[in-house]
Amino acid sequence: EDKVVQSPLSLVVHEGDTVTLNCSYEVTNFRSLLWYKQEKKAPTFLFMLTSSGIEKKSGRLSSILDKKELSSILNITATQTGDSAIYLCAVDKKGSNDYKLSFGAGTTVTVRA
Amino acid sequence: DGGITQSPKYLFRKEGQNVTLSCEQNLNHDAMYWYRQDPGQGLRLIYYSQIVNDFQKGDIAEGYSVSREKKESFPLTVTSAQKNPTAFYLCASSRHGNTEAFFGQGTRLTVV
Repeated sequence: EDKVVQSPLSLVVHEGDTVTLNCSYEVTNFRSLLWYKQEKKAPTFLFMLTSSGIEKKSGRLSSILDKKELSSILNITATQTGDSAIYLCAVDKKGSNDYKLSFGAGTTVTVRA
Repeated sequence: DGGITQSPKYLFRKEGQNVTLSCEQNLNHDAMYWYRQDPGQGLRLIYYSQIVNDFQKGDIAEGYSVSREKKESFPLTVTSAQKNPTAFYLCASSRHGNTEAFFGQGTRLTVV
């Protein structure tokens, strides 16, 4: 059975802190790993990672994939209250024509002013 | 503007009733998905469709049904057979072969 595990489940930080979120996976025929941010309702896409060791960046957010360790981290530097959200990790498998994602439980980040 | 529209935002259902959640997209995406989100459990896949008039069961399809008669629409029916239907339901779509899914705003269903 495929597994996607995120840690921690929740954390509280103060503005300006740096946050590191973890996602580990056990899936057969891994294809890609995606990160989403869910503030209130709809998750919004952040990154898609397919190659190990290549960091993707967008402003204060960055993410990297380690295929050897079957994991990924999402970093948020200089956090702001607007970063408060649930961060979801999802994994896609190859081998079939079905493109469906397996999601982790998410990490709830709360940034206090 | 292009996007995915789910309706209603909130829905209350009596036990024993079937209800249908609407999902419409104007992104011209081939694939559409329904997920259920419960606290602490992330998103679980209910049904998905890669093309019109075809759909497949996801991980938790029991008690749900779908149809895909039009490319733009993928309604989800929560039947009385679903034992614990109270949850937040998210619809998503993606271009065929692209796993970057775009999500609607969700429907919160409560059984009363």
